[in-house]
Amino acid sequence: KAGVTQTPRYLIKTRGQQVTLSCSPISGHRSVSWYQQTPGQGLQFLFEYFSETQRNKGNFPGRFSGRQFSNSRSEMNVSTLELGDSALYLCASSPHLTGKYNSPLHFGNGTRLTVT
Amino acid sequence: DQQVKQNSPSLSVQEGRISILNCDYTNSMFDYFLWYKKYPAEGPTFLISISSIKDKNEDGRFTVFLNKSAKHLSLHIVPSQPGDSAVYFCAASANFGNEKLTFGTGTRLTIIP
Repeated sequence: KAGVTQTPRYLIKTRGQQVTLSCSPISGHRSVSWYQQTPGQGLQFLFEYFSETQRNKGNFPGRFSGRQFSNSRSEMNVSTLELGDSALYLCASSPHLTGKYNSPLHFGNGTRLTVT
Repeated sequence: DQQVKQNSPSLSVQEGRISILNCDYTNSMFDYFLWYKKYPAEGPTFLISISSIKDKNEDGRFTVFLNKSAKHLSLHIVPSQPGDSAVYFCAASANFGNEKLTFGTGTRLTIIP
């Protein structure tokens, strides 16, 4: 079974631009979650999508948004990029909504975003 | 508000010895706990989990212990191997559905050959 695929692996953008990151979950997984990892901050939860609906949202500004398509693939968009948005963005999938049936998340290798 | 805390940013252990990684949490609603391992340039990989109805779960060289009264969990790796060198994250969630997984800040484990 193919794992979680994130594209692109690396991105360099300029302040003020916008960016879209893509995530293809494991086949059959309906939940997709996004996390931001920065040094010293661990993994910070952005949002979770299940059956094309956002089910949970973390404490990030409205510049961070996402969506999920009918095939469970998900995209994350960040508008008006700031230097502090430089981070590793991780996508994770699960068969069920997080917290239900104790299903662990399966992570992709992430997209490394650098904002200059 | 860091609800899941890993107070040791790094740990070095001799190969063959026991590695003990610690994690504390503050939210008493958490009832499912996991450990993830992360190599550079890769995403975190699920290692082992434990439900709050248990106090120990074992999988090969890895054992997780949960002390609910102290709101503390630990991961024991015996014996430690060079391939265990990685960053380890503990995570927790409340099993209501629609509850995010909350991660700690990670502990970098280095196994010395």
